[in-house]
Amino acid sequence: DVKVTQSSRYLVKRTGEKVFLECVQDMDHENMFWYRQDPGLGLRLIYFSYDVKMKEKGDIPEGYSVSREKKERFSLILESASTNQTSMYLCATLRYSGANVLTFGAGSRLTVL
Amino acid sequence: KQEVTQIPAALSVPEGENLVLNCSFTDSAIYNLQWFRQDPGKGLTSLLLIQSSQREQTSGRLNASLDKSSGRSTLYIAASQPGDSATYLCASAGNTPLVFGKGTRLSVIA
Repeated sequence: DVKVTQSSRYLVKRTGEKVFLECVQDMDHENMFWYRQDPGLGLRLIYFSYDVKMKEKGDIPEGYSVSREKKERFSLILESASTNQTSMYLCATLRYSGANVLTFGAGSRLTVL
Repeated sequence: KQEVTQIPAALSVPEGENLVLNCSFTDSAIYNLQWFRQDPGKGLTSLLLIQSSQREQTSGRLNASLDKSSGRSTLYIAASQPGDSATYLCASAGNTPLVFGKGTRLSVIA
């Protein structure tokens, strides 16, 4: 089975800090995604990547950036964290073959004070 | 732009009941539709995926159907158990990354 690992389950940061959320997959999936999930708003796509060094904006990219230097790792960066970025962040991967099943990590709960 | 809606937002049933969760989508040009389960504070776990050419998929007590022409999918859970309590989300895949519904929070009461 594909394993998607998010490095931090819980983080607490202060306003203005730079935050890195890491996601690593152990299979050769081309596509990786970052979502945030908030009560009443559901899952919203922040950024996604179809390949190394490629990135595409999702629905809510403002205040975020991403990095994909290696196929297995997709990082979400909050350049200057703000309180409205307090959320659950979910990483997912997808392989364009066979069933095209989207596989999620366990999530990272970020609190910005 | 694809919109996915799940109704009801919450559902409570007694143990042993059969139940149906609903998912509707506005753009029928989808590649597949996927159902997920999410436990509180956790990530999403894929339950079933229905390709656009299929009408239904089954896994154990779960059966998912897809009607592209009407823009609807249902997840049928047979003989519900307290362990089925979770939030269930559907997501459609098309020309853009998956679009998710907001989910139905299911509580199965023992």
